[in-house]
Amino acid sequence: NAGVTQTPKFRVLKTGQSMTLLCAQDMNHEYMYWYRQDPGMGLRLIHYSVGEGTTAKGEVPDGYNVSRLKKQNFLLGLESAAPSQTSVYFCASSTGRRNIQYFGAGTRLSVL
Amino acid sequence: GENVEQHPSTLSVQEGDSAVIKCTYSDSASNYFPWYKQELGKRPQLIIDIRSNVGEKKDQRIAVTLNKTAKHFSLHITETQPEDSAVYFCARPGDGSYGKLTFGQGTILTVHP
Repeated sequence: NAGVTQTPKFRVLKTGQSMTLLCAQDMNHEYMYWYRQDPGMGLRLIHYSVGEGTTAKGEVPDGYNVSRLKKQNFLLGLESAAPSQTSVYFCASSTGRRNIQYFGAGTRLSVL
Repeated sequence: GENVEQHPSTLSVQEGDSAVIKCTYSDSASNYFPWYKQELGKRPQLIIDIRSNVGEKKDQRIAVTLNKTAKHFSLHITETQPEDSAVYFCARPGDGSYGKLTFGQGTILTVHP
């Protein structure tokens, strides 16, 4: 039981490049979330999903897209990366019955 | 949306001292208040939580207290140890829930040996 797994762990992009971050969970959780973490700003919700095939915007969705084609996977896409998207990205999952969230190890992204 | 304010942003204590971190919220409907610990370079992990039907919950050296009237909740760590050094986040249910959480800004706790 691996829990929540994120790939890649590190990535450096040039402005304008695109990439996809993958989150996979093996706990059969319905709900999944993408956060970004910046110094002094806590964890801010980008997008979330309450089930396979559904996604919704969080607090800071601009510049990101997501997809949940399979229950266990939640993908975060950056179509045209900007330096302001330099951050650490965390994926999390939850059963939703309680608000306990289980986090992945994070992806450190730098956009030059 | 409703935020949660967390203070202090940094906290430095000597080993063996107590540490207290406080969070305030404004949404009266909030009924669940977790605390997450994030060690350097690691993922956030739940360490303790409290629901609105109780005023205090303890787990060994950590405790959380809730004051619903004043709309604040606090994390208390007693007999601090160097391994308690981490960033601590409070949270409350996000708007519309769906298991969502709104996090505080975080407190960097440093325990000096």
